[in-house]
Amino acid sequence: KNQVEQSPQSLIILEGKNCTLQCNYTVSPFSNLRWYKQDTGRGPVSLTIMTFSENTKSNGRYTATLDADTKQSSLHITASQLSDSASYICVVSFQTGANNLFFGTGTRLTVIP
Amino acid sequence: NAGVTQTPKFQVLKTGQSMTLQCAQDMNHNSMYWYRQDPGMGLRLIYYSASEGTTDKGEVPNGYNVSRLNKREFSLRLESAAPSQTSVYFCASSEGGGPYYEQYFGPGTRLTVT
Repeated sequence: KNQVEQSPQSLIILEGKNCTLQCNYTVSPFSNLRWYKQDTGRGPVSLTIMTFSENTKSNGRYTATLDADTKQSSLHITASQLSDSASYICVVSFQTGANNLFFGTGTRLTVIP
Repeated sequence: NAGVTQTPKFQVLKTGQSMTLQCAQDMNHNSMYWYRQDPGMGLRLIYYSASEGTTDKGEVPNGYNVSRLNKREFSLRLESAAPSQTSVYFCASSEGGGPYYEQYFGPGTRLTVT
């Protein structure tokens, strides 16, 4: 069964600290993996996208890693800011088809001053 | 360039009532999607339109109908609303329908069915 699991479900950190969010998937055949940020009351916004051959991708203070052999990805946030408070969703794609995205349930990150 | 817009933002319906959720995109994208997001679950695809003039069922199509009115607009209709359809609905669009195309999401419609 194709699944995407994220951990932890929620996380609270102090402003300025780093954190790492995890994503494990069983989707096969694999095409690419995305991380989205979803602010409360808004739609998801893409942070990074990685294909099978990529093992790291950065977007400012966000760095995603991918291990396609173990089917694991992580999203590392450096020097967190209050505006990083949001849900972070891992999304894995099949190789073909338009109906091909599998969404994780997300990690709810709260950054406190 | 507004991206993907959705109306309304909030809606409360009584069981059995009908309504249409509207979605429009101004990015000249070919593919459009409707998702629902429920607590503790990932987004689930209701229907999608790979290109103008085509629509296909997603993972959870029961109780919904869609219309791809033109290239810009994709509407979702609830013919007889049920409490199980209480959810947040997101419309998305992408340049193409394959796995390599970025999907851009609208702000969502929060629907409550009592």
